[in-house]
Amino acid sequence: GAGVSQSPSNKVTEKGKDVELRCDPISGHTALYWYRQSLGQGLEFLIYFQGNSAPDKSGLPSDRFSAERTGGSVSTLTIQRTQQEDSAVYLCASSLASGTYEQYFGPGTRLTVT
Amino acid sequence: DQQVKQNSPSLSVQEGRISILNCDYTNSMFDYFLWYKKYPAEGPTFLISISSIKDKNEDGRFTVFLNKSAKHLSLHIVPSQPGDSAVYFCAASARTRTGANNLFFGTGTRLTVIP
Repeated sequence: GAGVSQSPSNKVTEKGKDVELRCDPISGHTALYWYRQSLGQGLEFLIYFQGNSAPDKSGLPSDRFSAERTGGSVSTLTIQRTQQEDSAVYLCASSLASGTYEQYFGPGTRLTVT
Repeated sequence: DQQVKQNSPSLSVQEGRISILNCDYTNSMFDYFLWYKKYPAEGPTFLISISSIKDKNEDGRFTVFLNKSAKHLSLHIVPSQPGDSAVYFCAASARTRTGANNLFFGTGTRLTVIP
């Protein structure tokens, strides 16, 4: 694949429902990051995966947020009991290795919680 | 608390002139700085970067300047072209204890290059 892909591109959900967002990183990239961009804000770091190491979850805003990465490739970000303040664009990025600063972003998933 | 700040939300420049986008940061632990360009409905695209051991990095029409004492960096685009119209994000990185290179982003500057 050419770049990072994310699905769905748009998601509208009702408050209180759970949502799953998917990220397919660039093949061969071992590091994977999730960010979100709320309206009028910069990108906010959420979670980081590197190979088989335990993820860095320091950016997750609450325990309603979780993420997993299966087989060192595809990642899923899950938001439980969504709230209106969860509405944002969720961006996934990958990089060749943890020591590489340049990250390559997917197009994002726009989440709207009504 | 915004550790990376872009105080100009928008900038308009005539085609052929220089565009200067500014960025300030507060965390002295940042050791790598990047500029990303973002078109609507697309993810940010890496543009150019600079290590804290340098004060200038040039790539074609794009030059990034870093002033560590002022905790300030800028992106110069010359000559500006209409295709450069996009939102530009400044980002800074500091290695965490887990080895992650988390990027801290500014809020972006929307550049419009007028033909």
